[in-house]
Amino acid sequence: DAGVTQSPTHLIKTRGQQVTLRCSPKSGHDTVSWYQQALGQGPQFIFQYYEEEERQRGNFPDRFSGHQFPNYSSELNVNALLLGDSALYLCASSQQLYSGNTIYFGEGSWLTVV
Amino acid sequence: AQSVTQLGSHVSVSEGALVLLRCNYSSSVPPYLFWYVQYPNQGLQLLLKYTTGATLVKGINGFEAEFKKSETSFHLTKPSAHMSDAAEYFCAVSSGSARQLTFGSGTQLTVLP
Repeated sequence: DAGVTQSPTHLIKTRGQQVTLRCSPKSGHDTVSWYQQALGQGPQFIFQYYEEEERQRGNFPDRFSGHQFPNYSSELNVNALLLGDSALYLCASSQQLYSGNTIYFGEGSWLTVV
Repeated sequence: AQSVTQLGSHVSVSEGALVLLRCNYSSSVPPYLFWYVQYPNQGLQLLLKYTTGATLVKGINGFEAEFKKSETSFHLTKPSAHMSDAAEYFCAVSSGSARQLTFGSGTQLTVLP
């Protein structure tokens, strides 16, 4: 049973460019969330998708957008990249929207903006 | 609103000694509490979680945590540290309609030989 898978694992982008990160949830999971983890900090919630709709959003600008597909996989898009967007981007999946459900994390995508 | 405070950004223990990592939370509704571990250059792995019921929760790798509502705490313990326990540990809370996790800033555990 594959867990949460993310791609790419590492990438380098130039300031002002756009990036797309991809995530496949754990089998049987229908809810996908994205988190940003800056170096030396805890993960920060970006947004959550369920039934192909954004259900909740953290304190991130509109440059951060996402999508969920019918097969529950998801993409995170970041436009107009800033140096401060350099971080580990974690995808997490769970079943439905129950707060107590276990949330499983992928290995993350390391984004470096130069 | 919900928040988590982890006391001590770095904790060092000797191999075989007790591990105690502190976590205090703030939540306006009954919380669900989690401890995750992160090894270098990896994602997060769930150690244990508290939702309802027994306040002493046992997790993987010999870790356990106790939910104390009166102290708003969820400290993580392990009786005997092993070198393989060296990692970053994150406490997290979710509650009510806030279905996302709110994480603490993490505690880096070092195990000395």
